[in-house]
Amino acid sequence: RKEVEQDPGPFNVPEGATVAFNCTYSNSASQSFFWYRQDCRKEPKLLMSVYSSGNEDGRFTAQLNRASQYISLLIRDSKLSDSATYLCVVNAEYGNKLVFGAGTILRVKS
Amino acid sequence: GAVVSQHPSWVICKSGTSVKIECRSLDFQATTMFWYRQFPKQSLMLMATSNEGSKATYEQGVEKDKFLINHASLTLSTLTVTSAHPEDSSFYICSARGDRGVIAGGYEQYFGPGTRLTVT
Repeated sequence: RKEVEQDPGPFNVPEGATVAFNCTYSNSASQSFFWYRQDCRKEPKLLMSVYSSGNEDGRFTAQLNRASQYISLLIRDSKLSDSATYLCVVNAEYGNKLVFGAGTILRVKS
Repeated sequence: GAVVSQHPSWVICKSGTSVKIECRSLDFQATTMFWYRQFPKQSLMLMATSNEGSKATYEQGVEKDKFLINHASLTLSTLTVTSAHPEDSSFYICSARGDRGVIAGGYEQYFGPGTRLTVT
């Protein structure tokens, strides 16, 4: 079983739609959680951290369920510029290496 | 914000040659840098953790004699792919862990723009 699993998609949505991505992780000792965004042939960029209480940053909302080992990302009012691959990332050891999911592809169309 | 650069951004080389990739933290000191590899349509896979002044820690299945890592200063780590073969063609990305802030219980990693290696 992969350490971090995501639905690869692609998710094809119209502009303005709300879309949600899910991610599960296998290591119950995982300490911190992130969503990264990766554009085609580019490096990953941090989108947001995921806190236990859930957190929001503009149109983006992240949730964490430690009991189910499940992370989600909700994007409201999708923009064309949101089209990218979204990577679920888990840091299993404090301050150390990151484990990346394979990513979920989002395509927002006009 | 923290900036990490990589050089070169892309390289094409012949089978059997060695290629060196540099990763630099431009405006902060990085005690730890990470080297990843990403094949098309796959996730980033950690190859090794590079610590300044000490030997790198390689992930299982990564040949340390083939992928030489040197972290000689707090701002520079290098990855040398020795005797490269076509199967080594990939997108190599480094990241630097800074001590500038802790988020969500861990240190943020700042990624370089990546190096696309093609071995013919």
